[in-house]
Amino acid sequence: SQELEQSPQSLIVQEGKNLTINCTSSKTLYGLYWYKQKYGEGLIFLMMLQKGGEEKSHEKITAKLDEKKQQSSLHITASQPSHAGIYLCGAPGRGAGTALIFGKGTTLSVSS
Amino acid sequence: DAMVIQNPRYQVTQFGKPVTLSCSQTLNHNVMYWYQQKSSQAPKLLFHYYDKDFNNEADTPDNFQSRRPNTSFCFLDIRSPGLGDAAMYLCATSRELGGDRGSEQYFGPGTRLTVT
Repeated sequence: SQELEQSPQSLIVQEGKNLTINCTSSKTLYGLYWYKQKYGEGLIFLMMLQKGGEEKSHEKITAKLDEKKQQSSLHITASQPSHAGIYLCGAPGRGAGTALIFGKGTTLSVSS
Repeated sequence: DAMVIQNPRYQVTQFGKPVTLSCSQTLNHNVMYWYQQKSSQAPKLLFHYYDKDFNNEADTPDNFQSRRPNTSFCFLDIRSPGLGDAAMYLCATSRELGGDRGSEQYFGPGTRLTVT
């Protein structure tokens, strides 16, 4: 089955700085999902990318999908303390029409 | 308004004593999932229901069972909890399975299980 590797594992940035988190898949991607998790809570859906080259934005968070590289990136512009948390990528684990599996997550801390 | 509700939020059980975790949804979604998440690890899919069709992951221990009596409710039963089963258990729902529109999963707040 598919595996998703995220980098970096953790990240500390100063408030106002930009940052990028990457997610690389071991197999062909049939959709890529980004979630945010606060410690001890459930996952909150951020956005879903379906096609190669697709780019979506929500407030100051932008995600892109590079289908050829089997990779997605999540970029946060002008980070704020509210962006702190664990960011996880997910993808159908066994191809289209299957349940999502997740990467281990990237822990983001934002210092003010 | 809560859309995926998990009860209880915290559960303490004794080693070997059966425990049931519950999940309900107000979204009328076809699919319900159970994930296990241990500290600093990815959520691990245990099983999911598409409507009444049950799909067990190959590496989910037999100790874990699930029931979905109707569209709204899904239960996770741990028949004989071991110390290694202490984790956060996350329930999620989606309209469809992964890859297509409507496949984004909505998660509940989780139930943290402690085994003593």
